[in-house]
Amino acid sequence: GESVGLHLPTLSVQEGDNSIINCAYSNSASDYFIWYKQESGKGPQFIIDIRSNMDKRQGQRVTVLLNKTVKHLSLQIAATQPGDSAVYFCAETFTGANSKLTFGKGITLSVRP
Amino acid sequence: NAGVTQTPKFRVLKTGQSMTLLCAQDMNHEYMYWYRQDPGMGLRLIHYSVGEGTTAKGEVPDGYNVSRLKKQNFLLGLESAAPSQTSVYFCASSYGREAKNIQYFGAGTRLSVL
Repeated sequence: GESVGLHLPTLSVQEGDNSIINCAYSNSASDYFIWYKQESGKGPQFIIDIRSNMDKRQGQRVTVLLNKTVKHLSLQIAATQPGDSAVYFCAETFTGANSKLTFGKGITLSVRP
Repeated sequence: NAGVTQTPKFRVLKTGQSMTLLCAQDMNHEYMYWYRQDPGMGLRLIHYSVGEGTTAKGEVPDGYNVSRLKKQNFLLGLESAAPSQTSVYFCASSYGREAKNIQYFGAGTRLSVL
């Protein structure tokens, strides 16, 4: 079946370094992707999104890259800070009346001081 | 700015007991969702609603019922709780059915069924 998955369950980075979190998706019909951040004890929080007609989108300290050829999505966090420690989820959906978000399993980002 | 509010935050039930989780949103969103989150797994959709008075099944609907009597509220009911329903439950809402379907989440309800 279709699925959204993450390559690594955990990622440990040094404070100040850049972080790259990867995500693979398998539904070729997906045309909209979202990254969520979930801090301990809280609900997922929207970070950034990208449509399939784009291959890159930048936010504040975050960049999402989309490679439709290999169905790959990545989230880059510049100058990682302790406050970035959280679980990150990618999610996919497609344009349509009954479209729903499909979430990946999540990857934990741990920032070392 | 309240956003999406879930009550209660924590609950412990005995097997066979019933309870209702309440979700309220103040963003005038059409769509509302209930998810469960289990260790090592992503969010799984239980039920959702595309508008007041409507509900639909998601990926894992068995053992749960929902109601959307008011646009701002979405209730999740467990008629006879089972240990397999021990989980963290999240409610979310979104503006509508467009592809730009950003969902906004509540803080979650941690439920333990003994």
